[in-house]
Amino acid sequence: GENVEQHPSTLSVQEGDSAVIKCTYSDSASNYFPWYKQELGKRPQLIIDIRSNVGEKKDQRIAVTLNKTAKHFSLHITETQPEDSAVYFCAASKERSQGNLIFGKGTKLSVKP
Amino acid sequence: KAGVTQTPRYLIKTRGQQVTLSCSPISGHRSVSWYQQTPGQGLQFLFEYFSETQRNKGNFPGRFSGRQFSNSRSEMNVSTLELGDSALYLCASSLEDRGTDTQYFGPGTRLTVL
Repeated sequence: GENVEQHPSTLSVQEGDSAVIKCTYSDSASNYFPWYKQELGKRPQLIIDIRSNVGEKKDQRIAVTLNKTAKHFSLHITETQPEDSAVYFCAASKERSQGNLIFGKGTKLSVKP
Repeated sequence: KAGVTQTPRYLIKTRGQQVTLSCSPISGHRSVSWYQQTPGQGLQFLFEYFSETQRNKGNFPGRFSGRQFSNSRSEMNVSTLELGDSALYLCASSLEDRGTDTQYFGPGTRLTVL
């Protein structure tokens, strides 16, 4: 079955720096890749997603890139702020997955002021 | 629109008991998925319901079951609770049951089994 690996597991950056989180997936049929942010004690919240017909998507300070050939996708956060501190999860799915998002293990991002 | 809601938010049970958790999806969403979140295993898919039918199931024992009602609200049940069932149980709703539909999560139910 599908497997999603996420690196690094922890990431510490200074405020204003950029942060990059990388994920690889195993099922070449996967075509939907969301990213969720989960603050302590809160629900996972979708921050950005990408579908396989595009290679890059941006939303203000957040961007996601997808390399279908290499089966990996990355989250880029620029100009990090302390409120970006959270656990970030990548996930992969495909049309027929019927609700089954396969998640990476998560990256704990700490942004130091 | 109101977001996904889950009740109760916290539960404490003892081994051998059973528990029922409830999830109300975003209005108009017809698919509800359930996930178990633990520090060791992360987020793992339990099952998905659409039009009152279980359409997909993860790799969990039969003690984990669920159902969906005609108004799309869903419940999950865990029977004969084990210590290892302690976890945050999250439900997520989406418009349809395509794997590429965006899923929106509820706040979760924190289950502690003593």
